[in-house]
Amino acid sequence: EVQLVQSGAEVKKPGESLKISCKGSGYSFTTYWFGWVRQMPGKGLECMGIIYPGDSDTRYSPSFQGQVTISVDKSITTAYLQWSSLKASDTAMYYCATFSGGYAGIWGQGTMVTVSS
Amino acid sequence: QSALTQPASVSGSPGQSITISCTGTSSDVGGYNYVSWYQQHPGKAPKLMIYDVSNRPSGVSNRFSGSKSGNTASLTISGLQAEDEADYHCSSYTSTSTYVFGTGTKVTVL
Repeated sequence: EVQLVQSGAEVKKPGESLKISCKGSGYSFTTYWFGWVRQMPGKGLECMGIIYPGDSDTRYSPSFQGQVTISVDKSITTAYLQWSSLKASDTAMYYCATFSGGYAGIWGQGTMVTVSS
Repeated sequence: QSALTQPASVSGSPGQSITISCTGTSSDVGGYNYVSWYQQHPGKAPKLMIYDVSNRPSGVSNRFSGSKSGNTASLTISGLQAEDEADYHCSSYTSTSTYVFGTGTKVTVL
């Protein structure tokens, strides 16, 4: 079974760093691009960026360029989303998903990140 | 890139058909046949319902159909059922080689 399993919920203070993960299984890890999608409370979905596990080619959506870092470790079939200095406005649910052609086919269960002083 | 524009809410009675629009630009919806639609129930991850404008993944009901004209894509749900009550999000590949999602539509079954 193809699945993506994300790391657990996080509660952080403003200014702290954070790295969340998404482990893929049940398929060849370099078959699909990985993407990270933000959903702020009560809002729609936003694609933050995508990465190709084969060569770590990474493309950020303009709104997220410079705000986060997307990376991958193909030896353990895991993708990451990282912040160096969190803000309260980073409070959201974050989903990883596999992207193939024009769509996100498989989704992780989501990781809730809460940033509060 | 701006979010694709969807109506905030659409409602219908059981058995009726409803259509959700998704309007973008020539740099996304109008430029590629890479429009997809996702269903999201409260507290759950999104689920792919339509890909490449009008294709249904295995296991998705044929009551769901998609189309596109110019810069606007549409999702039609026919024979509306109570279980269809959810949020629906469209998405498109873009000229910046990433993806953009819509503003989301809440579907209510009356």
